[in-house]
Amino acid sequence: DAKTTQPPSMDCAEGRAANLPCNHSTISGNEYVYWYRQIHSQGPQYIIHGLKNNETNEMASLIITEDRKSSTLILPHATLRDTAVYYCIVRVATSYDKVIFGPGTSLSVIP
Amino acid sequence: DAGVTQSPTHLIKTRGQQVTLRCSPKSGHDTVSWYQQALGQGPQFIFQYYEEEERQRGNFPDRFSGHQFPNYSSELNVNALLLGDSALYLCASSLPTSGNTIYFGEGSWLTVV
Repeated sequence: DAKTTQPPSMDCAEGRAANLPCNHSTISGNEYVYWYRQIHSQGPQYIIHGLKNNETNEMASLIITEDRKSSTLILPHATLRDTAVYYCIVRVATSYDKVIFGPGTSLSVIP
Repeated sequence: DAGVTQSPTHLIKTRGQQVTLRCSPKSGHDTVSWYQQALGQGPQFIFQYYEEEERQRGNFPDRFSGHQFPNYSSELNVNALLLGDSALYLCASSLPTSGNTIYFGEGSWLTVV
């Protein structure tokens, strides 16, 4: 079973920030938080990951709470192309730790 | 730097037939995993290959088998196809380093008729 819970769907106005929450209350000390997204009929695309510090890259920012039990993915200026299913995943950062996908959050960016 | 590449992108098979799907990992990646994604569902882990051996396996029957070659590329074979095997098959690759990221290919769409 997935170790995370996410809202099933969210809407966001184009140009506004999209804030996608994720709960991972049973996360272990050596587990990272990863975010992927999947645009319809394509393979999952890696977005960002972090252990305990906030992270930012060209796609998004990841905010992890101090107790590490939840996190938020922030898309600073959502576009229509950001419409996708977003998966929050917790895993140990070793090559043999498989990815367990939950249902994810279906984000719709509205014009 | 090419990412994870898969072939074919789409194919149609008849129930009872066999299919082989191919994957080339991201450059330098030595670990390859396969996932099955049925329509409307999240990807499900099938198995993982490392050093040409199956290292771990998900809850899939023996009809699903695989292989990894010395150049780290991989094949997924499915025998005795069932209608329920219709899905998007995803290949993912990674490196065994700390904080490693798993990268996915675009997938192979299999339709069984």
